[in-house]
Amino acid sequence: QKEVEQDPGPLSVPEGAIVSLNCTYSNSAFQYFMWYRQYSRKGPELLMYTYSSGNKEDGRFTAQVDKSSKYISLFIRDSQPSDSATYLCAMITPHGGSQGNLIFGKGTKLSVKP
Amino acid sequence: NAGVMQNPRHLVRRRGQEARLRCSPMKGHSHVYWYRQLPEEGLKFMVYLQKENIIDESGMPKERFSAEFPKEGPSILRIQQVVRGDSAAYFCASSPPSGQGDQPQHFGDGTRLSIL
Repeated sequence: QKEVEQDPGPLSVPEGAIVSLNCTYSNSAFQYFMWYRQYSRKGPELLMYTYSSGNKEDGRFTAQVDKSSKYISLFIRDSQPSDSATYLCAMITPHGGSQGNLIFGKGTKLSVKP
Repeated sequence: NAGVMQNPRHLVRRRGQEARLRCSPMKGHSHVYWYRQLPEEGLKFMVYLQKENIIDESGMPKERFSAEFPKEGPSILRIQQVVRGDSAAYFCASSPPSGQGDQPQHFGDGTRLSIL
């Protein structure tokens, strides 16, 4: 079993839709969870950074962490064509504290159609 | 991705040559990480460095690959005697020193290495 599982998609939605992106993980020791957005030929751009379980909202983006189910989600409200990108979930290795190497999901490719 | 600067953006090498990839972290950041992204694969950790120290190199191939982050100047990822399988995008990330609150990693736009 891989440490972090993420459905690669592709996921295609109409403009204005609510998008739900998810990752599952196997190691219950993970405590820091991130979502990155990566446009083609560019580096990952940090969207959300959360510690432990709960919700965090930033504009149209909401991140949820459910440690009991080892499941994290990113919701995008009122999706726009400019949201079309690959979305990567990431977690820091358990021994890293708040520093340390990230373990990434493979990424979900999202396309928002006008 | 303003802040973390990587160069060159594209690098072409022939098999057997050396590749040197450079990374300047964001201002005020003292931690540098290198990741590799192979086609159709996710980002994989390679090495974590602080100034003049390698903290974790558990993701580095045992041969031909080395990394440094000197007291002055950028971090360097060096690949000797490159092979076709080294073709990938190499990303650098940086984060602030410990004790400065949240310390997420911010990425550069990568160096795309192609081996002929």
